[in-house]
Amino acid sequence: GDSVTQMEGPVTLSEEAFLTINCTYTATGYPSLFWYVQYPGEGLQLLLKATKADDKGSNKGFEATYRKETTSFHLEKGSVQVSDSAVYFCALSGRDGGSQGNLIFGKGTKLSVKP
Amino acid sequence: EPEVTQTPSHQVTQMGQEVILRCVPISNHLYFYWYRQILGQKVEFLVSFYNNEISEKSEIFDDQFSVERPDGSNFTLKIRSTKLEDSAMYFCASSPRQSYNEQFFGPGTRLTVL
Repeated sequence: GDSVTQMEGPVTLSEEAFLTINCTYTATGYPSLFWYVQYPGEGLQLLLKATKADDKGSNKGFEATYRKETTSFHLEKGSVQVSDSAVYFCALSGRDGGSQGNLIFGKGTKLSVKP
Repeated sequence: EPEVTQTPSHQVTQMGQEVILRCVPISNHLYFYWYRQILGQKVEFLVSFYNNEISEKSEIFDDQFSVERPDGSNFTLKIRSTKLEDSAMYFCASSPRQSYNEQFFGPGTRLTVL
């Protein structure tokens, strides 16, 4: 079945460092891909999304490109801030087969940014 | 900005007891979901709900689980006889449309079964 694999955390960076969180997926058909973020004590918030191959999602300085050839959707940010400290979840939503609408998540990657 | 709310934020119960987790989705949304996250594991889909009926459920969502939209605003998840392994964070989500679009999540209810 469909699945998402993302890099294990925790990831600790200094402020202004470059961030990459790897995410790869396995899916039938053409899923939509998402990055969700969970700040401490809060629910999951959509950070960015891409609905077809080669789409680039971007928000708040974060970017991710839907790469069908490598089945990847890596999250990047050029210069992280302390306020970016959170848990980041990669997810997909299937278009075909049984997964109509429900999200399939990776395990989450905890990011800590030090001043 | 409208948001999904969940109550309680933390529920502690004894094994075998029934619990009801409550959610208030965003008012004009049509699709509703429950997910759970066991500590240290993935967020897992439980069930989706549309037009007053379950549209999809996972293998986790067995006969011990049920969902209901008792009125125009609440969406509940009931666990009839809790087990230790039901201890998890339960997230409610809603969406204006199905599938490829954003789901809006609540802050979660932490369920602890003793």
